[in-house]
Amino acid sequence: AQSVTQLDSHVSVSEGTPVLLRCNYSSSYSPSLFWYVQHPNKGLQLLLKYTSAATLVKGINGFEAEFKKSETSFHLTKPSAHMSDAAEYFCVVSDRRGGGNKLTFGTGTQLKVEL
Amino acid sequence: EPEVTQTPSHQVTQMGQEVILRCVPISNHLYFYWYRQILGQKVEFLVSFYNNEISEKSEIFDDQFSVERPDGSNFTLKIRSTKLEDSAMYFCASRKRDLGKDTDTQYFGPGTRLTVL
Repeated sequence: AQSVTQLDSHVSVSEGTPVLLRCNYSSSYSPSLFWYVQHPNKGLQLLLKYTSAATLVKGINGFEAEFKKSETSFHLTKPSAHMSDAAEYFCVVSDRRGGGNKLTFGTGTQLKVEL
Repeated sequence: EPEVTQTPSHQVTQMGQEVILRCVPISNHLYFYWYRQILGQKVEFLVSFYNNEISEKSEIFDDQFSVERPDGSNFTLKIRSTKLEDSAMYFCASRKRDLGKDTDTQYFGPGTRLTVL
């Protein structure tokens, strides 16, 4: 079975400082990993994904994540936070068995950005 | 850019009533999904659908739930007799066929907030 653990339910940063949202995964197969963002009262938007190509993945809005197989981690980072980054972030793993590709979500990390 | 759309954005119903949530996936996508997010909890997989049949379903997706692609564009989730615990945000998602680029990515709609009274 696959699972995702997001280590922090809430992260608070000051505008202009780095962001680190932590994610560890468990999967019996070579996983596909994603980060999705959910702004208040909005749907789920894909930030970036890892699908067995480059281990450092760049996404939208300056976010990036590094796949580290030895640590089973896929942490999300951004060098400089902006107020508009305040949202909930979900680390997600995809199960490719059977072709269904169902997604398993982490519990989410609420990012707060302060002035 | 093509988007997944969902209607209605908010549905209020009485316990025991039937509801149908509607989704229009991205037009060239072939895999369709429903997920739900109970308030304060994580997003949970309900069902995946391909080639006019369910390919996988979760334990949540019991006999009260059904899915259908009635006309080649819409993808619906029906709950036959709603319970209080069905109150949640329901997300539809779609994915391309398994050839070419970007086949792993599921694109989500904005969600339908279902409130069961």
